[in-house]
Amino acid sequence: ELKVEQNPLFLSMQEGKNYTIYCNYSTTSDRLYWYRQDPGKSLESLFVLLSNGAVKQEGRLMASLDTKARLSTLHITAAVHDLSATYFCAVTPYNQFYFGTGTSLTVIP
Amino acid sequence: ETGVTQSPTHLIKTRGQQVTLRCSSQSGHNTVSWYQQALGQGPQFIFQYYREEENGRGNFPPRFSGLQFPNYSSELNVNALELDDSALYLCASSHKGTGNSYEQYFGPGTRLTVT
Repeated sequence: ELKVEQNPLFLSMQEGKNYTIYCNYSTTSDRLYWYRQDPGKSLESLFVLLSNGAVKQEGRLMASLDTKARLSTLHITAAVHDLSATYFCAVTPYNQFYFGTGTSLTVIP
Repeated sequence: ETGVTQSPTHLIKTRGQQVTLRCSSQSGHNTVSWYQQALGQGPQFIFQYYREEENGRGNFPPRFSGLQFPNYSSELNVNALELDDSALYLCASSHKGTGNSYEQYFGPGTRLTVT
């Protein structure tokens, strides 16, 4: 059974602090995606990682991929309140999207 | 360039009824995927349509069915609604063709409540 697991599930952090969200997946995938979802809203694409060792950065968020370990990380630098949201990773074996459990992030002023 | 749109935005149905949800794909996209997102969970893949044919299906019963039209818009039909069908239904469009076609764009979703 394919599993995409994220940890932590819930994260409360102070503004200005750094933290990392982890995404582990159980089967081979040639791509890994990170999405953001605000409450009651749809999914916003953040990053697409296409190869082992890929690293992408946008603002305070940086994502990386280790396909051998089947692990991706989403690193948050100097968090601000606007980053409060739920973050999902997704993999695409069998040409279908499988989403992780989600990490609900709350940034406290 | 128009984005992905879905209708209706909210819907309330009674158990046992049938429902049809609609999705218009982004201009230039030929593939539509449907997802079910229950409260507090990640989206679950229902199925994908490519050039009017089903092109992959997740672990959903046959009472979940779909269509894709020549203009690449799509419908999701759910028969014999159950309480557990209450969820946010998301469609996403993408383009399959030569070259990289790995990005998909999500619509705003339809919130279905079954009572």
